[in-house]
Amino acid sequence: AAGVIQSPRHLIKEKRETATLKCYPIPRHDTVYWYQQGPGQDPQFLISFYEKMQSDKGSIPDRFSAQQFSDYHSELNMSSLELGDSALYFCASSSLISTGYETQYFGPGTRLLVL
Amino acid sequence: AQSVTQPDIHITVSEGASLELRCNYSYGATPYLFWYVQSPGQGLQLLLKYFSGDTLVQGIKGFEAEFKRSQSSFNLRKPSVHWSDAAEYFCAVGGNQGGKLIFGQGTELSVKP
Repeated sequence: AAGVIQSPRHLIKEKRETATLKCYPIPRHDTVYWYQQGPGQDPQFLISFYEKMQSDKGSIPDRFSAQQFSDYHSELNMSSLELGDSALYFCASSSLISTGYETQYFGPGTRLLVL
Repeated sequence: AQSVTQPDIHITVSEGASLELRCNYSYGATPYLFWYVQSPGQGLQLLLKYFSGDTLVQGIKGFEAEFKRSQSSFNLRKPSVHWSDAAEYFCAVGGNQGGKLIFGQGTELSVKP
């Protein structure tokens, strides 16, 4: 079965640079979620989109922005990167209709290292 | 406040022994409960979920969990652990609105030969 695809899988950036993380949800999924997992931490919710509209917002820094496109893929844009942004960034997708209520399926993550 | 607590940071069991990972939640509405497993450097794989109905739910890889509303618990169990079960296990809670998941701190499982 098709899974959530994230790219790139690994990313190394310098401080103050920008980064763009991409997420391709499972086909026919209409909702995308972004989570950040710091070293040794549990995943923390950043932001979610339903049908291309922001549906919820968590502890996402103002330096970050995200959107969902017409083909339902999503991008997380991160500017003025800080050392503390080094983390594993997960994307998850769900669909009320095809997967059952609020079941989120996670991608493999993008590991971001800020030097 | 909504929260999930996994009291055990690290558990070691012998291969073939039984396993129980604890999870307690605090949630104002009807909770939707999940267990995910994460191998080192990997993504989160859904083991099982509870929405409603039978409070004992079966998942993949021989895992099961029992929802106990009176104890606000959703403990994960497996009768016989395999070496390949060594991983980090996360309990999570979500609601019927918004969909965001709140995770516990995780329990790292080690399996002794």
